[in-house]
Amino acid sequence: GAGVSQSPSNKVTEKGKDVELRCDPISGHTALYWYRQRLGQGLEFLIYFQGNSAPDKSGLPSDRFSAERTGESVSTLTIQRTQQEDSAVYLCASSSWFGQPQHFGDGTRLSIL
Amino acid sequence: TQLLEQSPQFLSIQEGENLTVYCNSSSVFSSLQWYRQEPGEGPVLLVTVVTGGEVKKLKRLTFQFGDARKDSSLHITAAQPGDTGLYLCAAGGYQKVTFGTGTKLQVIP
Repeated sequence: GAGVSQSPSNKVTEKGKDVELRCDPISGHTALYWYRQRLGQGLEFLIYFQGNSAPDKSGLPSDRFSAERTGESVSTLTIQRTQQEDSAVYLCASSSWFGQPQHFGDGTRLSIL
Repeated sequence: TQLLEQSPQFLSIQEGENLTVYCNSSSVFSSLQWYRQEPGEGPVLLVTVVTGGEVKKLKRLTFQFGDARKDSSLHITAAQPGDTGLYLCAAGGYQKVTFGTGTKLQVIP
């Protein structure tokens, strides 16, 4: 597609369950980013990929969070044993190269009951 | 840690008024971007500024990058209800992208 696509758009799950969020970047964009946005707040940088590599994973909030990217395309963000504080909108963006202007998806709204 | 502080945090104005939003940091950036985010959507890029002292105009929006490349401002002339949204500045650093704290703008018709 022409833009960044994220799925699902909404996810409601019970505390303790694992969730997987998906991001399809713009074709040809080598850099892909994940952010978390809590209600009424700014963007919290989680991780980025240049190609299939994530040079720095220190932005991930805890070891329950992991992300991968394959084929320099689709990326998944996985949250294990979800907690209520994980409730937020998770945004994905891509750019032609790291540091270039980013194009965002509309996010996945995650609610942990 | 790079921090981007935006001010004001909230702004509610009448249609037709002018306003300025600020983005400040103690760090020097090679470039800085401004985005606008509407409810339920991802941020959309408005502009990128690269050169210290640079001024860019986008219709009624004027963006300026500070001479020392540590700060930036966004000025909106004759605000319209369609300008309502969350305005975010962002800058890239080593292995990380930092977004500002955001300014939530409401333009009342």
